[in-house]
Amino acid sequence: DGGITQSPKYLFRKEGQNVTLSCEQNLNHDAMYWYRQDPGQGLRLIYYSQIVNDFQKGDIAEGYSVSREKKESFPLTVTSAQKNPTAFYLCASSRRDTEAFFGQGTRLTVV
Amino acid sequence: KNEVEQSPQNLTAQEGEFITINCSYSVGISALHWLQQHPGGGIVSLFMLSSGKKKHGRLIATINIQEKHSSLHITASHPRDSAVYICAVSEPDKLIFGTGTRLQVFP
Repeated sequence: DGGITQSPKYLFRKEGQNVTLSCEQNLNHDAMYWYRQDPGQGLRLIYYSQIVNDFQKGDIAEGYSVSREKKESFPLTVTSAQKNPTAFYLCASSRRDTEAFFGQGTRLTVV
Repeated sequence: KNEVEQSPQNLTAQEGEFITINCSYSVGISALHWLQQHPGGGIVSLFMLSSGKKKHGRLIATINIQEKHSSLHITASHPRDSAVYICAVSEPDKLIFGTGTRLQVFP
C-alpha cells in the first residue's frame, strides 16, 4: 500500500545535539513538506520541496535543514541552533491538485 | 491576519447534535482540504475540495470559491468524532493550514 512514513514516533535529544527526522513516501508525489506543531497551536511550515534537489524555506526555517536527494525521501535535521526544538513534527506529501497525505508525526523532546 | 482562519476555535456538543465548522481564506487556491487530528497527533485527510460539495458518511464539506469560504458539517455527532479539525488550502506550491477547531462531543 502507498503511504508516507515518519520515524521515529518519539525522539529524545540532549541539548546541543543535532537530530534527523525521517520522512519517506512511496506515492510518487513531487511535493513534500515539514511542519511543526506546538501545544494548542496550528501547524507551521518549516521547509518544503517541489522537486528533487530543490527546497524552499517556510515560515520558521531557522535552526532546521533539509535535503531532497531522492523523490521518496525528505529528511529534516533539527540543529543545535534551534532554540526551542521540543515539538511535534509532521511530514506531508502531495501531488498538484490531489489529496495531501500525512505521516503519523514525530514527537521530539529535548532533555 | 492569517491566510486561513477557522471558527470556532473550540466547540463542545452533545451526542446527536449537528455540527458546523467554518474556514475562510484570503489567498488564491487550487484546492481546500479538511483534516482530522486525533490526540495521538496523526492526521487523516477527510476531504479535498475544489468546488461544490462532498459527502462521506456523516460528514459533509462544502466550498464557495467566490466567497473564499468552506464549511465542514457533522450530522448526528458522536463522542468518537472528538478531535481537532483542520482546514488547509493548496496554493500553487505549498499547503497552508488553519489553526484548527477542537471538537468535543459528550454522550
